[in-house]
Amino acid sequence: DIVLTQSPGTLSLSPGERATLSCRASQSVSSNYLAWYQQKPGQAPRLLIYDASSRATGIPDRFSGSGSGTDFTLTISRLEPEDFAVYYCQQYGNSPTFGQGTKVDIK
Amino acid sequence: QVQLVQSGAEVKKPGSSVKVSCTASGGTLNNYTITWVRQAPGQGLEWMGMIIPIFDTRNYARKFQGRVTITTDESTSTVFMELIGLTSEDTAVYFCAREVRRWLHGWFHPWGQGTLVTVSS
Repeated sequence: DIVLTQSPGTLSLSPGERATLSCRASQSVSSNYLAWYQQKPGQAPRLLIYDASSRATGIPDRFSGSGSGTDFTLTISRLEPEDFAVYYCQQYGNSPTFGQGTKVDIK
Repeated sequence: QVQLVQSGAEVKKPGSSVKVSCTASGGTLNNYTITWVRQAPGQGLEWMGMIIPIFDTRNYARKFQGRVTITTDESTSTVFMELIGLTSEDTAVYFCAREVRRWLHGWFHPWGQGTLVTVSS
């Protein structure tokens, strides 16, 4: 199985700042089949990005995804109060696997 | 858009089994692929398996092979996930989601609300 390693584990930032989250795969992800999700406590995950860089319907344009091969990035250009949450990457080029998550909390 | 509504919380004894349902509300399963993901308390997400009802095709994660069975009742637009041989390590929230496939697999959207399964003696 492809192992996804997310970094950092926790990102402490202030509203208005830029957040850069990393997701590294143990082997190349086929066709850049990678998604990003946001999860808040007590809620189901919410799809943000699919195919590495395509924004899901209704997702604000401050969220963007990039990368290819084994290195992927989720960028939140200016953090809004509602963006403080845990973020997961998921690959679907092979049997699906998730990263362990990055928590974005308020500094 | 179709919403996925899951059955309520369950408390089970070690060694028993649990069956969680996921119903398409406001529509039918049509040619959806439904996938199951679980999340232990304070932990990350773990994919368990999926079903393509229209083809009656299933694919399970290696870790759960032999312990999980995913079935469907198309007359009620419901997918079931049954897990046997429960241990305390199976205590988790179980989510269903539509899997939007690119080829063999895809991304997950939308998600059900989750079902808490607690395994305790």
